[in-house]
This record gives sequence, C-alpha cells and structure tokens, in this order.
Amino acid sequence: DGGITQSPKYLFRKEGQNVTLSCEQNLNHDAMYWYRQDPGQGLRLIYYSQIVNDFQKGDIAEGYSVSREKKESFPLTVTSAQKNPTAFYLCASSIPLYRVGLGGYTFGSGTRLTVV
Amino acid sequence: DAKTTQPTSMDCAEGRAANLPCNHSTISGNEYVYWYRQIHSQGPQYIIHGLKNNETNEMASLIITEDRKSSTLILPHATLRDTAVYYCIVRVGSDKLIFGTGTRLQVFP
Repeated sequence: DGGITQSPKYLFRKEGQNVTLSCEQNLNHDAMYWYRQDPGQGLRLIYYSQIVNDFQKGDIAEGYSVSREKKESFPLTVTSAQKNPTAFYLCASSIPLYRVGLGGYTFGSGTRLTVV
Repeated sequence: DAKTTQPTSMDCAEGRAANLPCNHSTISGNEYVYWYRQIHSQGPQYIIHGLKNNETNEMASLIITEDRKSSTLILPHATLRDTAVYYCIVRVGSDKLIFGTGTRLQVFP
C-alpha cells in the first residue's frame, strides 16, 4: 500500500545536538511538507518542497534545515540553533495544486522529539 | 495566519449527526475548503474538500454556502471513534495548508 513513513516514532536528543527526522513517501507525490505541533496547538509549517532540489521556508523555519534530493524523501534536521525543539513533528505529501481536485494531503504518523 | 475560524469545542451524542461549522469569510474564488481531523497523537487524516458545490463521501458531507464564506462538515452518525480535533482549512495559492487550532469534537455515549 502507498503511504508516508516517518521514523523514528520517538526520539530523544541531548541539548546542543543536531538530529535528523526521516520522511519517506511512495505515493509519487511531488510536494512534501514538515509541520510542528506543540501540545494543545494546531500545526505550524516549518518547510515545504514542491519539487526535487527545491524547498521553501514556512512560518517557523529558524533552527531547522531540510533537503530534497529525491522525490520520495524529505528529511528534516533539527539543529542546535532551535531553542525549543521538543514537539511532535509531522511530515506530509500532496499532489500539485493544479491537480487539487483529486484529493488532499497525506500525513505520516509523526515523530515525537524530546530534548533531555 | 489561519484564514478560517472554528468553535473551540463541541459535543455530540453517539448516533446523532455532528455539524461542525467553519467561517472563511475572506476566501478567494479559486481556493478550496479542506477538512481534516486529528485523533490524539496521530497524523491528521483527510476527510473531504470542496470548491463551490456540496460534497459527500463515505466519511462525511460538506455544505458550502452560496457566498462561500462559511461551510459545515456533517458527520451523519457520529461514533465514539469520531472524537478528534477537526480542522477546516483553506488551501492557499502556494500549495501550503495553513492550520488553525480546530474544533475539538467530543462524542459521548
């Protein structure tokens, strides 16, 4: 079955360390996204990519970095510059806007990052 | 900023219809209305979307007003498993989905 996979499900990081969250999709979607969710809050967009080798900053990109070397993969690195990284991170993929009538976003099951 | 406003929370009795309202008064003519829901600690799940016409699928119905300034998501026979946070979203031109805080629907026995 096609889907989007995030790993790991739970991740612990020491302060000052960089950590990379994995996101892989086999839906042949062009666009991919990273969101952050804090307890009791909605989702906030970190980065998004509409095509391979291109990505754009979202609303809260500071302290994060991404790459999009393959259509299937969109890893997110949480750097030591991110002052409050403990959160639930969600990856999503979608078809391009001009084909929006065919459906919406597909989300992964998330990675819960805790800084210890 | 989110382009939609929703009530913070709602209750619904099991087996009854749940009607979740959403206001999107600044929506543009080519922007779709999307609904997602998120069960605790899981990724959001796509429910339905529409542009002008009312839509129905196996999960829900979407009623969009003629002026497109508001919409209602209808779960015709709510179950306990429908307890979740429901997000109403307008898809902006750059392909991003901007989430608000959603409506927390509690279905009770």
